[in-house]
Amino acid sequence: AQSVSQHNHHVILSEAASLELGCNYSYGGTVNLFWYVQYPGQHLQLLLKYFSGDPLVKGIKGFEAEFIKSKFSFNLRKPSVQWSDTAEYFCAVNASHLYGGSQGNLIFGKGTKLSVKP
Amino acid sequence: DTGVSQNPRHKITKRGQNVTFRCDPISEHNRLYWYRQTLGQGPEFLTYFQNEAQLEKSRLLSDRFSAERPKGSFSTLEIQRTEQGDSAMYLCASSLGGRRALYNSPLHFGNGTRLTVT
Repeated sequence: AQSVSQHNHHVILSEAASLELGCNYSYGGTVNLFWYVQYPGQHLQLLLKYFSGDPLVKGIKGFEAEFIKSKFSFNLRKPSVQWSDTAEYFCAVNASHLYGGSQGNLIFGKGTKLSVKP
Repeated sequence: DTGVSQNPRHKITKRGQNVTFRCDPISEHNRLYWYRQTLGQGPEFLTYFQNEAQLEKSRLLSDRFSAERPKGSFSTLEIQRTEQGDSAMYLCASSLGGRRALYNSPLHFGNGTRLTVT
């Protein structure tokens, strides 16, 4: 069965600090990988996704993530965080050969809360 | 894009009662998903529909849970004989899937219905 591990439960940073949130998944086949963000009081929204091609993907608001197949990892990065990045971040995966190309059944990690101090 | 709408936002019920939640997806989306999220966990997949057909159900969906999408538009999730362990946030999401899908159709989540069983 697929699973997703997010290493950090809560990360506290000061503004302008660099961010890296870890995500590892367990699945031997071809996967689709996602990062979702949930700002306080808002719904989950897609930050970025990887399906194939360039393993370095860029998302909204200056976020990027790198897929390293050999490490089963998809870590999220941002060079300089802002107070407005305070949110909970979820890594998710699904098996790409299922669900006719749509995202279908996503397996989520437990999430990482990011608090950015102004 | 009016987004995914879920009602009610909060529901408090006594153990043993039945509850029903409603989800209105984005109008052109043919796929609809239900997820459940408990405190400290990421969302867990429950079931999904393509149009009115329920294509997959998680083992998490016990026989007390039933979901419908009678006309391929809105969906309802009913929990019968609620238990305290059913207390959670119930999330609905929608997307384009199947033959009509763009390969990279994202899930759009609603704000969820928070269920508290006393």
